[in-house]
Amino acid sequence: DAGVIQSPRHEVTEMGQEVTLRCKPISGHDYLFWYRQTMMRGLELLIYFNNNVPIDDSGMPEDRFSAKMPNASFSTLKIQPSEPRDSAVYFCASALALHEQFFGPGTRLTVL
Amino acid sequence: LAKTTQPISMDSYEGQEVNITCSHNNIATNDYITWYQQFPSQGPRFIIQGYKTKVTNEVASLFIPADRKSSTLSLPRVSLSDTAVYYCLVGDHGQNFVFGPGTRLSVLP
Repeated sequence: DAGVIQSPRHEVTEMGQEVTLRCKPISGHDYLFWYRQTMMRGLELLIYFNNNVPIDDSGMPEDRFSAKMPNASFSTLKIQPSEPRDSAVYFCASALALHEQFFGPGTRLTVL
Repeated sequence: LAKTTQPISMDSYEGQEVNITCSHNNIATNDYITWYQQFPSQGPRFIIQGYKTKVTNEVASLFIPADRKSSTLSLPRVSLSDTAVYYCLVGDHGQNFVFGPGTRLSVLP
């Protein structure tokens, strides 16, 4: 298996623009997580899904953030409109029955 | 969620054994203890998980005393490539994914 795949790996955008981050989990995994990492706040859980259903989105910072999982092999995290404080590395991870999580390589987002 | 406390940073030399202790005084009966490793510019990677006593795999050992209020990750004979941030997570299988600041381990030649 190729592991968790994220795209793009790097994204530079201007404030106010819409940003969409994509994730393909490991086949067969039933949990998918979105995290954000910054120097100031560390690694924060934003939202996680079980069998494509959002279970806990309490970590989503505000209404500008939304996440979807239309099927078992794809998820998106959207920021609209983006702000400079959204600059961070965004990780997607997947897991089988909440055992070890497998993280993707991350998307480094820079909002100017 | 059980709160965890780890040292912010540690230094070691190549070839030494490194022990990183995590305190989790309010660990619950159903909670597991999980450790992850993160290299710069990469996502965290699972190292080891345990519930009580001792767990060993090809990478590390995890020691958990009877009261389970702390745990120690042991890395035998570290090398420069073990320089990373190590995270201790505590929670049941529904909640063991809250990462604290971790311990930044620096292995020196």
